[in-house]
Amino acid sequence: AQSVTQLDSQVPVFEEAPVELRCNYSSSVSVYLFWYVQYPNQGLQLLLKYLSGSTLVESINGFEAEFNKSQTSFHLRKPSVHISDTAEYFCAVSDLPSNTGKLIFGQGTTLQVKP
Amino acid sequence: GAGVSQSPSNKVTEKGKDVELRCDPISGHTALYWYRQSLGQGLEFLIYFQGNSAPDKSGLPSDRFSAERTGGSVSTLTIQRTQQEDSAVYLCASSYLAPGTGELFFGEGSRLTVL
Repeated sequence: AQSVTQLDSQVPVFEEAPVELRCNYSSSVSVYLFWYVQYPNQGLQLLLKYLSGSTLVESINGFEAEFNKSQTSFHLRKPSVHISDTAEYFCAVSDLPSNTGKLIFGQGTTLQVKP
Repeated sequence: GAGVSQSPSNKVTEKGKDVELRCDPISGHTALYWYRQSLGQGLEFLIYFQGNSAPDKSGLPSDRFSAERTGGSVSTLTIQRTQQEDSAVYLCASSYLAPGTGELFFGEGSRLTVL
């Protein structure tokens, strides 16, 4: 069975500092990987995804994630965070064997950006 | 609006009562998912619909939980004889892309509190 582990439940960081949110997955088959973001009092939104091709994927607001097959990781990074990046971030893997499109999510990481 | 709509946004009920949560997906989206988000538990998959059928109900936690979808559109999640452990945010998502590509569009959720 597939699973996702987000190693940090909370990550406090000062504005303009770099940040890394860690995600590891477990799967016996090829995977699709995702990061979703949930801003306060809003629904989840897709931030970025890896389906195939280049292992480095980027979002429109400066986040990037790198698929590392050997380490089964998909860590999310940003070189300089803003107050507006404060949110909960969820890593997810697509349950490809079931062919349902459902996603298996990690427990989430709360990014707290302080001024 | 054009997004996934869920109602009610908040529901407080007494233990033992039945509740119904509604999801109106994005028009044209054939796939619909229900998830549960509990504090510190991440997102837990409940059920998947393709059209009006539910080929994957594997996440429903007990027989008190049921869901249906009519007309390939609106879905209702019903919880009978609610218990305090049912308190959570129930999220609905829909998708139109091929299964596995992960473009799930989420509603803002229905927060259920069981007293």
